[in-house]
Amino acid sequence: DQQVKQNSPSLSVQEGRISILNCDYTNSMFDYFLWYKKYPAEGPTFLISISSIKDKNEDGRFTVFLNKSAKHLSLHIVPSQPGDSAVYFCAASWGYGNKLVFGAGTILRVKS
Amino acid sequence: EPEVTQTPSHQVTQMGQEVILRCVPISNHLYFYWYRQILGQKVEFLVSFYNNEISEKSEIFDDQFSVERPDGSNFTLKIRSTKLEDSAMYFCASSEEGTGGHNEQFFGPGTRLTVL
Repeated sequence: DQQVKQNSPSLSVQEGRISILNCDYTNSMFDYFLWYKKYPAEGPTFLISISSIKDKNEDGRFTVFLNKSAKHLSLHIVPSQPGDSAVYFCAASWGYGNKLVFGAGTILRVKS
Repeated sequence: EPEVTQTPSHQVTQMGQEVILRCVPISNHLYFYWYRQILGQKVEFLVSFYNNEISEKSEIFDDQFSVERPDGSNFTLKIRSTKLEDSAMYFCASSEEGTGGHNEQFFGPGTRLTVL
């Protein structure tokens, strides 16, 4: 099942700089997209989401951009902090109450 | 802040044994889910549950699996006869009923199931 892809297994960023995590999807039915953060031995923690009717959603240091024509979304973290070091999962769904389809995750390391 | 809880945090069992994984979803949520993550693989959907019935299940969720909401707070996943390949982290999630197409699902900390 390759409907949601995160092609970068890992990303290393200097503290204070921007982190950009990318995600591509193939299923045109997806209408809601989410980013989750996960620490080892914990469950995914919801970060930010975006509906397909929007192209940008911002929450503090986190901004998600959606490019529907390219079937691409990205998560920007500015400024990056060492506590942001974790695995970031992109997920997508269609319809309310339906399953989430996850990408493989990107390991973000923020160096101080 | 309300959160999803899961017990036990770690379950070790022998192949062929039955296990029950327990979850307490967020109290005002009406949609419940189980996902699992095999080591090194993606988080994958197992089953969703709404209004006391399964609303969707994946091909992984075969006859060996069942879910139940035995009372007003718990949501359980039962595996009748565990196999080695059932070893994984199992995550429970819940979401509230609302409008606007929002589908934020909130996850518990997971139960690590080890089948020997």
